[in-house]
Amino acid sequence: AQSVTQPDIHITVSEGASLELRCNYSYGATPYLFWYVQSPGQGLQLLLKYFSGDTLVQGIKGFEAEFKRSQSSFNLRKPSVHWSDAAEYFCAVGTSGTYKYIFGTGTRLKVLA
Amino acid sequence: GAGVSQSPRYKVAKRGQDVALRCDPISGHVSLFWYQQALGQGPEFLTYFQNEAQLDKSGLPSDRFFAERPEGSVSTLKIQRTQQEDSAVYLCASSLVYVGGHGTQYFGPGTRLLVL
Repeated sequence: AQSVTQPDIHITVSEGASLELRCNYSYGATPYLFWYVQSPGQGLQLLLKYFSGDTLVQGIKGFEAEFKRSQSSFNLRKPSVHWSDAAEYFCAVGTSGTYKYIFGTGTRLKVLA
Repeated sequence: GAGVSQSPRYKVAKRGQDVALRCDPISGHVSLFWYQQALGQGPEFLTYFQNEAQLDKSGLPSDRFFAERPEGSVSTLKIQRTQQEDSAVYLCASSLVYVGGHGTQYFGPGTRLLVL
C-alpha cells in the first residue's frame, strides 16, 4: 500500500537559517510527488511537484525539492527561511492511473526571529 | 483567475443535525475531490468525481456521508445525523485532467465543521 512518512512533526529554525523537511514514500512504481503548505485557517497551496525528468525541482517562494529514488525520498529545502514561512507542510504522493493523493501527517515549521 | 471556493467556511452543528458543504471548483476542471482533515493530521481522501460521475467513494467513512455533483461543476458533501467524530476540516480540490493524467490538485480553503 502507498504511504507517506514525514518523520518530523515539529521543526524550529531561526530566520535566515537553512531548512530541510523530510519526506519518505512507499510505492512500487514512479510516484508523482508534491509538497503543499498550509497556513492557519487556510487551504493547501502547492509549493512544487515532481512528475518526471530532472530530480531537482524548483517551486514557489524559493523552495526546492530533490527526488531520490534510491532512498524513496522527496525532501523539501530552502536556503534561507523567512518568518512568513511558518506554517504546516505536507508531502503527498499520487500515482498514474489513480487520482487520490496520499498525504503525510505534516511538519509544523516554527521560525524564530 | 478564481480558485476553488468552499462555503460555508465554518459550520457549527449540534449532534444529529444534517449539514451540507459546498464546493465550487475552478472553471473547466473535470476532476473534483473531497478530503477530510482531522486536527493535527494530513488530509484523507473521501471521494472523487469525474464530471458528474462519482467514480470512487471508498473513503467516505459511513453511509451518513453523501456527495453529489449533478451538473459536473458545483459539488455538495452532505453529512446526515452528524456525530462528534465528524468534526474536521473538509477540503475540496479540483484538477484539470482525467484519471491517468498528470493531475495537479488545487485546493479550496476548506470548511471547518464542529459538531457539538
